[in-house]
Amino acid sequence: GENVEQHPSTLSVQEGDSAVIKCTYSDSASNYFPWYKQELGKGPQLIIDIRSNVGEKKDQRIAVTLNKTAKHFSLHITETQPEDSAVYFCAAIWPFGNEKLTFGTGTRLTIIP
Amino acid sequence: GAGVSQSPRYKVAKRGQDVALRCDPISGHVSLFWYQQALGQGPEFLTYFQNEAQLDKSGLPSDRFFAERPEGSVSTLKIQRTQQEDSAVYLCASSHLSVPSQETQYFGPGTRLLVL
Repeated sequence: GENVEQHPSTLSVQEGDSAVIKCTYSDSASNYFPWYKQELGKGPQLIIDIRSNVGEKKDQRIAVTLNKTAKHFSLHITETQPEDSAVYFCAAIWPFGNEKLTFGTGTRLTIIP
Repeated sequence: GAGVSQSPRYKVAKRGQDVALRCDPISGHVSLFWYQQALGQGPEFLTYFQNEAQLDKSGLPSDRFFAERPEGSVSTLKIQRTQQEDSAVYLCASSHLSVPSQETQYFGPGTRLLVL
């Protein structure tokens, strides 16, 4: 199976600064790594994902990097805005046996105006 | 079309009561998942359907939990004789392909269950 660890659990950054959230996974066979944003009272919303054959992916202010050797991946948010405040979850899929997402424990990101 | 929808959004049950939670996936999505999210935690896998077939139920915490998707679209998660530890948000997700590791899982808003 798969185990995902996520750090930090809370993160506060000044508006306009960058935020970085890091995750590690246990099984080298894992091949898909999405990041979800969850606002209060809502379901997780996919913000970016990366597959194991890619090292980096960007979408405007959001980027994800993957280091397969070290088995870790990171979310980078630049030019943070108040609406970026939410809980962010990383996840991984281990492709053998079932197709479930294994989630990290979440990072509560607060953007200080 | 519309995203994943779930009903009810909130459910308060007395301990010992049976509850049924409904999920309407995105039209045409083959794969459907149920996850349980305890307060302050990440979602945890409960069960997985491919069309009407339940391919994995390894995450169901006890035999009081039962899920079905009889026609390969709408799914129901049933919890019998609810206990206080069942209090959580129950999330449903769907994806287009039969191999979800190659496709995004889209989540519904969840059903918040409180067992008193």
